[in-house]
Amino acid sequence: NAGVTQTPKFRILKIGQSMTLQCTQDMNHNYMYWYRQDPGMGLKLIYYSVGAGITDKGEVPNGYNVSRSTTEDFPLRLELAAPSQTSVYFCASSYSRQGKGEKLFFGSGTQLSVL
Amino acid sequence: GQQLNQSPQSMFIQEGEDVSMNCTSSSIFNTWLWYKQDPGEGPVLLIALYKAGELTSNGRLTAQFGITRKDSFLNISASIPSDVGIYFCAGAGGSQGNLIFGKGTKLSVKP
Repeated sequence: NAGVTQTPKFRILKIGQSMTLQCTQDMNHNYMYWYRQDPGMGLKLIYYSVGAGITDKGEVPNGYNVSRSTTEDFPLRLELAAPSQTSVYFCASSYSRQGKGEKLFFGSGTQLSVL
Repeated sequence: GQQLNQSPQSMFIQEGEDVSMNCTSSSIFNTWLWYKQDPGEGPVLLIALYKAGELTSNGRLTAQFGITRKDSFLNISASIPSDVGIYFCAGAGGSQGNLIFGKGTKLSVKP
């Protein structure tokens, strides 16, 4: 019953460092997403993927990159970390497109601080 | 872009009280969803609404899809301590194509 697994749980970065947030799902979902959650601001979509090899920008993609080489994995890369990227990051997956109201399955989040 | 206005922003209630929260938009949505986020966890779907006017229950939770398709309401009856968390509304099927989330209602329950 793993569902969506994110690592790491917490991370502190220095300005300018890079890192990759890992996300994997075992439900064979085609659709995967990365969201960021800032206090009192809800969830903002960073990038999404509709299947292996296909990715697209969401609402707030600047400063991030993604890849989708397999159905299971959808890593999020921060190349030059900035304080504005301090946030909680959630990976999610769904059987079909979330824009149609499909249920999203979320990971437990990565709390990232950039100092 | 499309926005959802969720209110109230936070609530402090006594155990046993009923809770009401709502979500409004200037845009029409085809689906309304309500998620709950426990502290330190990701959101989990509570209720999905697919038709204008629809009223759906899930245990002590009841949600309604507004007749204008621009709003939705969530009620929690007889609150208990484990109801603590952040409740998010989300609208789907709008002009932007992706799911739009409200900013959340933070619920605190005093035993």
